[in-house]
Order: sequence, then structure tokens, then C-alpha cells
Amino acid sequence: AQTVTQSQPEMSVQEAETVTLSCTYDTSESDYYLFWYKQPPSRQMILVIRQEAYKQQNATENRFSVNFQKAAKSFSLKISDSQLGDAAMYFCAYRGNRDDKIIFGKGTRLHILP
Amino acid sequence: DTAVSQTPKYLVTQMGNDKSIKCEQNLGHDTMYWYKQDSKKFLKIMFSYNNKELIINETVPNRFSPKSPDKAHLNLHINSLELGDSAVYFCASSQDIWELFFGEGSRLTVL
Repeated sequence: AQTVTQSQPEMSVQEAETVTLSCTYDTSESDYYLFWYKQPPSRQMILVIRQEAYKQQNATENRFSVNFQKAAKSFSLKISDSQLGDAAMYFCAYRGNRDDKIIFGKGTRLHILP
Repeated sequence: DTAVSQTPKYLVTQMGNDKSIKCEQNLGHDTMYWYKQDSKKFLKIMFSYNNKELIINETVPNRFSPKSPDKAHLNLHINSLELGDSAVYFCASSQDIWELFFGEGSRLTVL
């Protein structure tokens, strides 16, 4: 069964600094999709960034980028120029190519220090 | 307009009661889901429906019964509520593999 592991329950970063959130996953599939979702205090989950496993190029969305290491089964999220609005729970997620469900990690709570 | 809407957003009830949570999406998506988020924020899939048909049932107690009257609606009925059912329940929808669109969640508290 596929699993997603986020080893950092909480992290803090100074405003305007850069922070990296870690995620590893376990799968026997070769084709899959990886995601980072954000859950602010308002509770609603929002997609931050996504990556197709067959693409070697790391996805980037403005201040958010990923470091995808397929062989190591690692998918970290880098947030540059951290802003107060980035404070949230961040969930790493996995979806197999033939799956209808997305599996989430346990989340990392990110604090932004002013 | 809210894309995925859930009602109610908050629900407080006694053990043993039966309650329902409703979900509607206006995105035209074929697939809808129920996820449960426990007190430690762990998000776990419960059910998925594709065009009114159940496609995922993740070993959820049969006290939980989803119902999809049409592809825009997926309701969750819970019988004989237990303390451990206290959680935030999220409805979500998707059209493809790319993105889940979540509702705002329904916080259920069982006393």
C-alpha cells in the first residue's frame, strides 16, 4: 500500500526567509502524481502545487517550488520569501495513475515569525 | 458562488444520535469524496462516488452510509454516533487526477 510520510510535525520560519518542508512516499508504481495542499486556519484545503512523476523538471508556482527526487521517493516543498499568509498546515499527497483516491501525509504545521 | 458546499458547518450532538451532513458541488465534476480529519489533523479518505456509483469504501464502520442522489450531491449519514466520530468531515470533488476541490469542512462534536 502506498504511504506518505511527513517527518516534521511543525516548523517555523522568519518572514521573508525560505523554508523547506519534507515529504517521502512509498509506492511500487512508476507512474503517479504528487501534490502539496495547504490548510489555513479557515480549514479549507487548497492545492498549492502538483507534480507528475514522469516529468523530471520540478514544478514551480510563484514562490512555491518542489524538489522531486523520484529514486529517493522524496517530494519536498520550498517556500521562498515567506509571508504571514503562508502560515498553515501543509499536506503532502500521492495519487497513483490508476487510483481514484489521494492519500495524504499527516501534515506539517508552518509558523511564520514576523 | 461556493464550488463545494457542505452543511452544516458545525454539529454538536449526543452519543447514540443519528446525523447527516450534506454536500453539493456546482463544478460539474463526476467524482465526489468524503474525508475525515481527526484531532491530530490526519486526513483519511472514507468514500468516493463516481457519477452516483460507490467506487471507494475505505473500511469505514457500516454506521456510516453515504448517499449520492445525483452526481452533484454526496451526503453522509451517521447512525448511533460514538465519541470517536468527533472530527472534521470534508467533502471534495474532482474531474480528473489533477486536483481535489474541498468544501470548508463540517466539524462534528459528539458529547
